[in-house]
Amino acid sequence: AQTVTQSQPEMSVQEAETVTLSCTYDTSESDYYLFWYKQPPSRQMILVIRQEAYKQQNATENRFSVNFQKAAKSFSLKISDSQLGDAAMYFCAFSNTGNQFYFGTGTSLTVIP
Amino acid sequence: DAMVIQNPRYQVTQFGKPVTLSCSQTLNHNVMYWYQQKSSQAPKLLFHYYDKDFNNEADTPDNFQSRRPNTSFCFLDIRSPGLGDAAMYLCATSRDAGLASEAFFGQGTRLTVV
Repeated sequence: AQTVTQSQPEMSVQEAETVTLSCTYDTSESDYYLFWYKQPPSRQMILVIRQEAYKQQNATENRFSVNFQKAAKSFSLKISDSQLGDAAMYFCAFSNTGNQFYFGTGTSLTVIP
Repeated sequence: DAMVIQNPRYQVTQFGKPVTLSCSQTLNHNVMYWYQQKSSQAPKLLFHYYDKDFNNEADTPDNFQSRRPNTSFCFLDIRSPGLGDAAMYLCATSRDAGLASEAFFGQGTRLTVV
């Protein structure tokens, strides 16, 4: 079974600063994908960034980047130059080739003006 | 434009009264998922369809059923809702997870059981 763990239920960051959200996962599969999703209050979940397990290079999308450590099964999200609109619940997710997505329990990010 | 549409946004049902939640997509994706999300918890995968192939999670209660009559629509049927079934239900689609395809989510249906 796949499990995804987010050990930080809540995080806060000062506007324009950098914050890192942690995620670890457990799987016996070698081929999988990892995602970070953002869920603003009362709004739908949207994709922030994705990482293929076979790629060693860390994914980057503008202010969002990941630190993917396959051996440690760690997949953290770094948000640079935090903006007020970044405030949301962030979910780490794992997807295998069986078309199944599994989510962590989420980290609630507060951005302080 | 909305690509994954869930209706209704809010649903109130009586304890034990069957209820159906609907999801439609305009993306022509092969895979459709149903998740249950309770407050402050991770979305929990209930089941998914790959095309017409139904895949149930091992711990999904028998009380939950699903139908996918065509590519665009997928329904979640709760045969006898209990108080513990009150939650947000999320529908999602993906082209094919094996191709690192992202999941697109609807806005969810919040189910209240009275």
